[in-house]
Amino acid sequence: DIQMTQSPSSVSASVGDRVTITCRASQGINSWLAWYQQKPGKAPKLLIYAASILQSGVPSRFSGSGSGTDFTLTISSLQPEDFATYFCQQGDTFPPTFGGGTKVEIK
Amino acid sequence: QVQLQESGPGLVKPSETLSLTCTVSGGSISGYHWSWIRQPPGKGLEYIGYIYYRGSTNYNPSLKSRVTISVDTSKNQFSLKLSSVTAADTAVYYCARRPTPSAYYFDYWGQGTLVTVSS
Repeated sequence: DIQMTQSPSSVSASVGDRVTITCRASQGINSWLAWYQQKPGKAPKLLIYAASILQSGVPSRFSGSGSGTDFTLTISSLQPEDFATYFCQQGDTFPPTFGGGTKVEIK
Repeated sequence: QVQLQESGPGLVKPSETLSLTCTVSGGSISGYHWSWIRQPPGKGLEYIGYIYYRGSTNYNPSLKSRVTISVDTSKNQFSLKLSSVTAADTAVYYCARRPTPSAYYFDYWGQGTLVTVSS
């Protein structure tokens, strides 16, 4: 299986900050990467797919980039509703696999 | 708006079979692949497998010997069976839709249901 490694595992930030989360695949996955946001007790919500395509309805402060093995999720100006855990997921090779998650906490 | 809802027992005894159903509303089950994904408490997400509405399946090799996913298009439902469960199978189980056959990502998810394996 392809291993997905996220960093950092947690980050403390303030409202208005720019936050960047990275995800590295153990082998090349082209651009088949998705990002999800998960709040406590809730299902994951798709934010970005194909590395950089914003899912319908997701605010434009979220953006994704990368290809091959290295990817980033950027929140340009953190809002109160963005405090959550973020997961990456590779969709190139079966079975799809997920990163361990990055918890974005209030500083 | 497509909605998914998991249902089934919240407590299963060790060595028994876990059975869950996902009901799709607000849209048809036809035309899509439907997946099961789980998340042990406090841990990351693990992919279990999928079924195409016509009945073809593919399972995570790590669980393949114990998993069966089936579909009932007349009820707009699909189901998961996981046999010979142990405490390691305790998790929140999610059903989800894969919107395109060309890549694995999931645009609609159920709210999740916690299944605890304990005697």
